[in-house]
Amino acid sequence: QVQLVESGGGVVQPGRSLRLSCATSGFTFSSYGMHWVRQAPGKGLEWVAVISYDGSIKYYADSVKGRFTISRDNSKNTLYLQMNSLRAEDTAVYYCAKKREGGVVPAAVDYWGQGTLVTVSS
Amino acid sequence: DIQMTQSPSTLSASVGDRVTITCRASQSISSWLAWYQQKPGKAPNLLIYKASSLESGVPSRFSGSGSGTEFTLTISSLQPDDFATYYCQHYNSYWTFGQGTKVEIK
Repeated sequence: QVQLVESGGGVVQPGRSLRLSCATSGFTFSSYGMHWVRQAPGKGLEWVAVISYDGSIKYYADSVKGRFTISRDNSKNTLYLQMNSLRAEDTAVYYCAKKREGGVVPAAVDYWGQGTLVTVSS
Repeated sequence: DIQMTQSPSTLSASVGDRVTITCRASQSISSWLAWYQQKPGKAPNLLIYKASSLESGVPSRFSGSGSGTEFTLTISSLQPDDFATYYCQHYNSYWTFGQGTKVEIK
């Protein structure tokens, strides 16, 4: 069965960096685009970034552009989110999610990880 | 940027009620719209994609309709397991979520 498992969250000071990982199994990782979505405590869902199946196309939300970098290692079936210059407003549960359809067509996501909490605080 | 506006923000209903949630896009998004259900402490769960296609395994009491700028999610007969928060989402190169609709027990 499809599994997505995030790791790397924790408490970090403002201005510092953190890298999240999303280990996947149960599907052909190299065929699907992947997303990061976050949810601040008690708030709604906010899309963060997307990467195409081959890593050639990446898009970011304006709120993280220039600070966060999405990447993937198809040989390890793993998705990453490098987060630099962290701010208090980046505090959230971060979810990785798999596109429902392969290739580059627009698609919803059909599988989500359990989330990893990032807390930015001094 | 495309904005997605859901209404209502909160909805109080009873088991067996027919429930409708509306999502409006600030410009036409064709049918690139999904609906998700989220329960506290859990990841969202896909219900509807391409505005009206029911995801596999989702009960048939859930349905979606609309295209362009106005969309609806309907639960034909609310069940105890359906009390949750629902989000619409526009998906294309960029994503935008609605602010969510919490369905509460009346």
